[in-house]
Amino acid sequence: EVQLVESGGGLVQPGASLKLSCVASGFTFSDYWMSWVRQTPGKTMEWIGDIKYDGSYTNYAPSLKNRFTISRDNAKSTLYLQMSNVRSEDTATYYCTYYFDYWGQGVMVTVSS
Amino acid sequence: DVVLTQTPPTLSATIGQSVSISCRSSQSLLDSDGDTYLNWLLQRPGQSPQLLIYSVSNLESGVPNRFSGSGSETDFTLKISGVEAEDLGVYYCMQATHAPYTFGAGTKLELK
Repeated sequence: EVQLVESGGGLVQPGASLKLSCVASGFTFSDYWMSWVRQTPGKTMEWIGDIKYDGSYTNYAPSLKNRFTISRDNAKSTLYLQMSNVRSEDTATYYCTYYFDYWGQGVMVTVSS
Repeated sequence: DVVLTQTPPTLSATIGQSVSISCRSSQSLLDSDGDTYLNWLLQRPGQSPQLLIYSVSNLESGVPNRFSGSGSETDFTLKISGVEAEDLGVYYCMQATHAPYTFGAGTKLELK
């Protein structure tokens, strides 16, 4: 059974950094591109970016490219999202997904002082 | 960025009724490889999104065949032939042809 389990969310102050993780199981993680998607409290869905199966290439939404970094550790079957200089508008539920076919349960990030 | 416009924003239906949701794109979603990467997702209350239809009209494994997708280029439709209670939630179209990938604003399906 495919499982994607995100972690690392919580309450963070504006300007801080945060790193989310997504542990994958039930499939050969190193064979697949992976994506991060977020959903705002108003339910708007936004694609953050993705990473090639070997970690050699990443794509980002232009509006987030300068602050967010996607990486992966295939030995640990884990996807990461490094968020820096967070803002209130980054408050959302963050999902990892592959091919939009399988999704994690999501992790909430709240940016507030 | 590609803008996906979904209509209607809210849909009220009775059990057994057939309904359709429209998704219009600001540019063609036909990729240079010949495929059209327009997907439909359902998010039930309190759950993560679930893929229903991929590449316009392909039913994801395990999804009931009362769901169907059609369309081309910039105009797409999701049809539910006989709504069931488990179909309630928010439907999103999304495109993965042009980066950054984008989502529609969603259509909330409610019981009348």
